[in-house]
Amino acid sequence: GESVGLHLPTLSVQEGDNSIINCAYSNSASDYFIWYKQESGKGPQFIIDIRSNMDKRQGQRVTVLLNKTVKHLSLQIAATQPGDSAVYFCAENNPPRGSTLGRLYFGRGTQLTVWP
Amino acid sequence: NAGVTQTPKFQVLKTGQSMTLQCAQDMNHNSMYWYRQDPGMGLRLIYYSASEGTTDKGEVPNGYNVSRLNKREFSLRLESAAPSQTSVYFCASSAAGTSGGYEQFFGPGTRLTVL
Repeated sequence: GESVGLHLPTLSVQEGDNSIINCAYSNSASDYFIWYKQESGKGPQFIIDIRSNMDKRQGQRVTVLLNKTVKHLSLQIAATQPGDSAVYFCAENNPPRGSTLGRLYFGRGTQLTVWP
Repeated sequence: NAGVTQTPKFQVLKTGQSMTLQCAQDMNHNSMYWYRQDPGMGLRLIYYSASEGTTDKGEVPNGYNVSRLNKREFSLRLESAAPSQTSVYFCASSAAGTSGGYEQFFGPGTRLTVL
């Protein structure tokens, strides 16, 4: 299957700083990418997504950048808060040929810790 | 709107026992998924159902069976539990691209321990 990996398993930042979480993907045919946040004991929660025809997408305090040339995805969190502490997963969508099925492949995740 | 619900939240089984994990969604989504998550790992797809009446294997289907009971419900069955199936199981659903994205909505998970 396809693999989605993360460069760093852990990231520690000071409250108020900006955080950047990186992700590498291997399948150039993937057409959609998504970031999830998972707090301890909970299911993954959608943060932001981006289609392969875009380079950048912004949400509230979050920005996702997609570099298809090097197959790299990043999540930027502005003014990181203690409530942002969680594991962050990137995932890519690579549907079976001829299908519109949303079939996501997840990376292993990055643990973000925010210090006061 | 409850989103995706899963039962039970916790379960302890002995090796060889069977059980069914239940999942339901109230978002009228076509596609539903079962994942497992092991420590330090991302989510791995066990089975999925693109639409009511269809099911397909994911990355790690061995030891599991599924039933798409209707559009709302998708159950996962362990016929003979093994310690290697100790994990956290997540159910998810998706509109599968029909509403602009492939975003999957996740349930709270079932924490299963097999002794």
